[in-house]
Order: sequence, then structure tokens, then C-alpha cells
Amino acid sequence: AQTVTQSQPEMSVQEAETVTLSCTYDTSENNYYLFWYKQPPSRQMILVIRQEAYKQQNATENRFSVNFQKAAKSFSLKISDSQLGDTAMYFCAFMKPAYAGNMLTFGGGTRLMVKP
Amino acid sequence: KAGVTQTPRYLIKTRGQQVTLSCSPISGHRSVSWYQQTPGQGLQFLFEYFSETQRNKGNFPGRFSGRQFSNSRSEMNVSTLELGDSALYLCASSEGGYTDTQYFGPGTRLTVL
Repeated sequence: AQTVTQSQPEMSVQEAETVTLSCTYDTSENNYYLFWYKQPPSRQMILVIRQEAYKQQNATENRFSVNFQKAAKSFSLKISDSQLGDTAMYFCAFMKPAYAGNMLTFGGGTRLMVKP
Repeated sequence: KAGVTQTPRYLIKTRGQQVTLSCSPISGHRSVSWYQQTPGQGLQFLFEYFSETQRNKGNFPGRFSGRQFSNSRSEMNVSTLELGDSALYLCASSEGGYTDTQYFGPGTRLTVL
């Protein structure tokens, strides 16, 4: 079974600064997908970024980028130019594609507060 | 395209009752997954439906069941509610391929008294 660990329960950052959220995972699989989801106070889970394990290039989406270290089983999220709207819970998730269906395994989450 | 919708958004039930939650996926999506979110256990996978068939199941008791209709809409049922079933229930849809991204609805907040 896969496990996902987010070691930072809470973090804060000043507006316009950069913050990095950590995520490690444990798997024996070689082909898998990793995600960061954001859950603001409204509780709607929003996809931030997706990374395919077979791709060496780190994924980026505007101000969001990841540092994917496959050998170290590490998948951190960097948020540049933090904005007040980035305040939310951030969840790292692992997905192993399988004929039995795909399911997400989530980490415990990191609560990020962006301060003005 | 409209996003994933879930109804109702809030529910209050008492122990022993049963409840049905509904999820309408993004148009064209054939897979619907359900997750339970609680402060203590975090986000846990309940089950996934694809083309009206349960394709995958998490480690939950048989009181939790679901189904999917031909239009891909899904319902989740919890029978004989317990206090510990109080949670945010999230539904996610995807196109149905094994590598597809899941997109979440706003959730249904269930409170069991």
C-alpha cells in the first residue's frame, strides 16, 4: 500500500513571498501520478498541479511549481509570489493507475496562511 | 463545462437513520469516486464507479454503499448512521481512464446527532 506524508501541519508566508510545501511518499511502483490539491475555506477541493512519475521535467502551473525527486520519493510544491487567495489546506496525493480503478491516496495536509 | 455538483450540501441526521447523497459528474466523465474527510482520519477513499459498475472499493464497512446510473450520476448511501459517520463527503469525477485526473465537487457535510 502507498503512504503519503506531509510533515508540515501548518505554515505561514508573507504576501508576495515564496513558500515550499513538503511531501514524501512510499511506494514500490514505478509508474504513478502525483498531485497537489488545494482546499480553501469553502471546502471545494481544487487541482493545483499534476506530475507524471515517468517525466523527469518538473510540472509548473503559473505561480505553482513542483520539485519532483523520484529516487528520494519527494514531491514538494513551491508557490511563488504568494497571494491572499492562496490561503488554504494543501493536500499531496498519489495515484497508481490500475485496471481495478484509480484511487487517490492523500497526505494529511498542510494548512497555509498567507499574511498581508 | 459545469463542474461536479453534489446535493445536498448539508445534512443533519440522527443515529440509526440512513442517508443518501448525490453526485453529478462533469459532462462526459464516466467515473465517479467518493471520499470521506474527517479531522481525525483525513481523506479516505470509499469507492469508485465506472459505467454503472463498482470498479474499486476502500476499507469501509458494508453500511456504506453506492451506485451509478446510466447518465453517470452517482449516489452514496449510508445505513444505520453512527456518530463517527459525521464527515465531509467528497465526490470526484474523471473521464474514466486509468491515468485521468479527478475533479472534485463541493462536498456534502453530514452531521450525525
